Amino acid sequence: GAGVSQSPSNKVTEKGKDVELRCDPISGHTALYWYRQSLGQGLEFLIYFQGNSAPDKSGLPSDRFSAERTGGSVSTLTIQRTQQEDSAVYLCASSSRTGQGYTFGSGTRLTVV
Amino acid sequence: GDSVTQMEGPVTLSEEAFLTINCTYTATGYPSLFWYVQYPGEGLQLLLKATKADDKGSNKGFEATYRKETTSFHLEKGSVQVSDSAVYFCALSHNNNDMRFGAGTRLTVKP
Repeated sequence: GAGVSQSPSNKVTEKGKDVELRCDPISGHTALYWYRQSLGQGLEFLIYFQGNSAPDKSGLPSDRFSAERTGGSVSTLTIQRTQQEDSAVYLCASSSRTGQGYTFGSGTRLTVV
Repeated sequence: GDSVTQMEGPVTLSEEAFLTINCTYTATGYPSLFWYVQYPGEGLQLLLKATKADDKGSNKGFEATYRKETTSFHLEKGSVQVSDSAVYFCALSHNNNDMRFGAGTRLTVKP
């Protein structure tokens, strides 16, 4: 597509439930990134996919967080047993190898109540 | 490890005022430097970038110069508009696969 698409745009869930956040990157972009933006905070790196290589999971805050990328395109970030501190905007970005910077989606605002 | 430090906000200016948002970095080697802008309710957008020392990135009246000697990439605009109200993020990257962001600076421009 023309841009990075994320869904849903807003998600309200009860504490303890699992949620799945979806990211559809720009066609042809080999790299895909997930970041978390908490209220008043900067961007926290979560996970990075590059082509068929093993993902860099070094930013995932706990084992409740996982992500996969199917067919080198769409990615799903899953948060199990959500906690209130998981409330944040989850941003996805994609990039090519040419060093032009990242293209971000509009994010998914997750609220855990 | 690599890191970015940018001036804390919020910054409030009157329309047509001069803007400077300071950004300094710590990195090995020669990273590329970026400014991203996040308008209310939207994702981040690349505003400008510079890939080597003394390069000047510019876009929409904003400018930033890659200063290796001071490890800085300050964002400037000569005359801000209300529509420039947003959060601005400084970032660095080696090889485009490890972007590190500053904490963001919220700018509010009042008419």
